[in-house]
Amino acid sequence: AQSVTQLDSQVPVFEEAPVELRCNYSSSVSVYLFWYVQYPNQGLQLLLKYLSGSTLVESINGFEAEFNKSQTSFHLRKPSVHISDTAEYFCAVSSNTGNQFYFGTGTSLTVIP
Amino acid sequence: DTAVSQTPKYLVTQMGNDKSIKCEQNLGHDTMYWYKQDSKKFLKIMFSYNNKELIINETVPNRFSPKSPDKAHLNLHINSLELGDSAVYFCASSSRASGFVGEQYFGPGTRLTVT
Repeated sequence: AQSVTQLDSQVPVFEEAPVELRCNYSSSVSVYLFWYVQYPNQGLQLLLKYLSGSTLVESINGFEAEFNKSQTSFHLRKPSVHISDTAEYFCAVSSNTGNQFYFGTGTSLTVIP
Repeated sequence: DTAVSQTPKYLVTQMGNDKSIKCEQNLGHDTMYWYKQDSKKFLKIMFSYNNKELIINETVPNRFSPKSPDKAHLNLHINSLELGDSAVYFCASSSRASGFVGEQYFGPGTRLTVT
């Protein structure tokens, strides 16, 4: 079985400052990793994903995440946040052998003007 | 062109009533899901169907019954509604063609309020 831990439930950060949202997972098999974003009163949208290959993956709006197998982490980073990045961010993991998909408990990112 | 749609968007009802939420996807996906998101934003998977077959059935009260008439639809029926059922319910879909549960596409959610 897999599980996901998001260590920070709330992260306030000033506009144009860098941010890191932490995600750790546990699994006994190979996994696929995802970050989803949920803007207020909307459904979840895929932000980026790691399936294989390069351990650094990027999104179109400046976020990036690095898969670190030794530390079982998939932290999300952005060098300079905007007000529009205010949202709930969910880390998720799925197994490449099963049909389970696990979400973390979410991190609420608030960008302060 | 809405990829995953849910109806209704808001649902307010009294305890003890029976209600249904409908979900449709036009992405050609073969797998659909129902999630419950509580007031603390915690997401819990409830059910998953692959090609109309139930593949995930988490521990939820049997008052909740999913129905998949075809691959593009997954409806959720709830009997004898309770206050604790108040939440936002999300439908999602994905393709298992590549052999794993990959990228999921979510609907806009249905906010259920039980009074």
